[in-house]
Amino acid sequence: SQQGEEDPQALSIQEGENATMNCSYKTSINNLQWYRQNSGRGLVHLILIRSNEREKHSGRLRVTLDTSKKSSSLLITASRAADTASYFCATDLRGSARQLTFGSGTQLTVLP
Amino acid sequence: DADVTQTPRNRITKTGKRIMLECSQTKGHDRMYWYRQDPGLGLRLIYYSFDVKDINKGEISDGYSVSRQAQAKFSLSLESAIPNQTALYFCATSDGGYETQYFGPGTRLLVL
Repeated sequence: SQQGEEDPQALSIQEGENATMNCSYKTSINNLQWYRQNSGRGLVHLILIRSNEREKHSGRLRVTLDTSKKSSSLLITASRAADTASYFCATDLRGSARQLTFGSGTQLTVLP
Repeated sequence: DADVTQTPRNRITKTGKRIMLECSQTKGHDRMYWYRQDPGLGLRLIYYSFDVKDINKGEISDGYSVSRQAQAKFSLSLESAIPNQTALYFCATSDGGYETQYFGPGTRLLVL
């Protein structure tokens, strides 16, 4: 079974709008990571947030983590057509020896 | 040149055939991973290796085997391919001190 579940499964927005996607998980984590995948290509790491952090920024990305609700959100501000991709959360579970467990992803489409 | 390379990039094979997917990395990382991705799903871990002498099964290791020939090389074998092994396969690496994983471009495998 998958640890992380993203919501929504698909999101379509206009260029310039903000995109928010959510990730829920089931058990305690060391950290949570977000990855991006362009169609049929390898995943690229975007940002990592540790279990003792609540918010993190990187450029146009903002990630929040609520360990009490076992959830995280990824906000992409001022979206561009080039942001069109699938976005995955991945959890590094406590006691997992640094294995990552990936969610099923959110497909983001940014319309020009 | 890419830090993590996979060969072949595409492969069509028949049921019952043995096939090997290869992964090489120039990042100098000790940890290497094999994942498979099915349409609409996240990545699932097949095998992982924390050094040349360390091989571990992941979530879905049945029907697969691996070989860590050197720090830089990690191969995945399907001893007798079956159609439900049709998927996109990714190799990834990480430095044991950091949690981020770096992915290869993927191998698209079709088993007829």
